[in-house]
Amino acid sequence: GAVVSQHPSWVICKSGTSVKIECRSLDFQATTMFWYRQFPKQSLMLMATSNEGSKATYEQGVEKDKFLINHASLTLSTLTVTSAHPEDSSFYICSASPPVSLVEQFFGPGTRLTVL
Amino acid sequence: GDSVTQMEGPVTLSEEAFLTINCTYTATGYPSLFWYVQYPGEGLQLLLKATKADDKGSNKGFEATYRKETTSFHLEKGSVQVSDSAVYFCALSDQGAQKLVFGQGTRLTINP
Repeated sequence: GAVVSQHPSWVICKSGTSVKIECRSLDFQATTMFWYRQFPKQSLMLMATSNEGSKATYEQGVEKDKFLINHASLTLSTLTVTSAHPEDSSFYICSASPPVSLVEQFFGPGTRLTVL
Repeated sequence: GDSVTQMEGPVTLSEEAFLTINCTYTATGYPSLFWYVQYPGEGLQLLLKATKADDKGSNKGFEATYRKETTSFHLEKGSVQVSDSAVYFCALSDQGAQKLVFGQGTRLTINP
């Protein structure tokens, strides 16, 4: 149990276009989902916390107009990178937390974004 | 703010060697502590956790003890295998906050 999927697993896009990444909890309802960014050989940096039915809470330094997060249902959150530029190229990872657990998160496999 | 510091890698060991990856933390409250593992091409998986002082988390031969007095949560394994090659992340979560703060990760390579 506790499986989280992401789609797509990788995407290449042209500079200036927008890209949507989906994060789904497959066998549990996730009241909270998190979006992270991981640079090569570096740690995960939390970008935002997403609660179902409410606006996401962004970490300091993360542009909310550039990284749009929608958590419309208890099993789906989406991250849209708007007007992507090469510096947005990164590995984006989501995680989901079931309501019964205050401390545990289950991670998706990640999405590799390359902006040309 | 809260932070996690791991020993720098990469770490390269021979099969059956003893492994220690150091992790220390700074937190204002009483955090839960975690070790996550990221195998090549895969997402992070929870390896073990401890939610209060003196708790020992264990899984797949790995162990880590929550030491409040030294603010540490070092990862150990008595005899590593080639399949243990991965990146290991130490992390903390403040009680009730759910937000995870990660260390920088330690890349472990085990040679046969």
